[in-house]
Amino acid sequence: GNSVTQMEGPVTLSEEAFLTINCTYTATGYPSLFWYVQYPGEGLQLLLKATKADDKGSNKGFEATYRKETTSFHLEKGSVQVSDSAVYFCALPGKRNTDKLIFGTGTRLQVFP
Amino acid sequence: SQTIHQWPATLVQPVGSPLSLECTVEGTSNPNLYWYRQAAGRGLQLLFYSVGIGQISSEVPQNLSASRPQDRQFILSSKKLLLSDSGFYLCAWRLGGPEQFFGPGTRLTVL
Repeated sequence: GNSVTQMEGPVTLSEEAFLTINCTYTATGYPSLFWYVQYPGEGLQLLLKATKADDKGSNKGFEATYRKETTSFHLEKGSVQVSDSAVYFCALPGKRNTDKLIFGTGTRLQVFP
Repeated sequence: SQTIHQWPATLVQPVGSPLSLECTVEGTSNPNLYWYRQAAGRGLQLLFYSVGIGQISSEVPQNLSASRPQDRQFILSSKKLLLSDSGFYLCAWRLGGPEQFFGPGTRLTVL
């Protein structure tokens, strides 16, 4: 079935540093891909998505490009802020059951001033 | 616009006590509904999902159960809580596309 692998955390950065959180996937066809963000004590929020190969999703300064050649959907931000400290999840629909989302294990980002 | 509510926000229960967590969605009809659990420092575990009233799919055998008595209401229950039931419980909905939208969560501590 479909699966997703995220880099282990935590990722620790200083404010204004460049961020990359790696996500690679295994899938049949070209399903939509998602990044979710979870701030401390809250539910998950959809951060961005890409629905087809070579699409770039973007929101709040974050970007991710759907790359079928490398089966990747890495999350990037040029200049992180303390308020970006959260857990980030990569996700894609299940193969057999698109009613479900398959989530990565999550990557914790800590940004210090 | 659609909104999703969960209550209570936090709950502390003794081992062996019953549980009822509620989730409601506003602004949409016939959504798929989901219950997830997140143990401390862990990822998401899908517990149940429902594609319609009275239709429940269970993902993980356990002492929890779910019900969908109304189109936009999803309830998570237990007759006797275990210590291992502690965690952060998240409800989500989806309609049409594959993306899901999450509620604010319920923090359950079983003592």
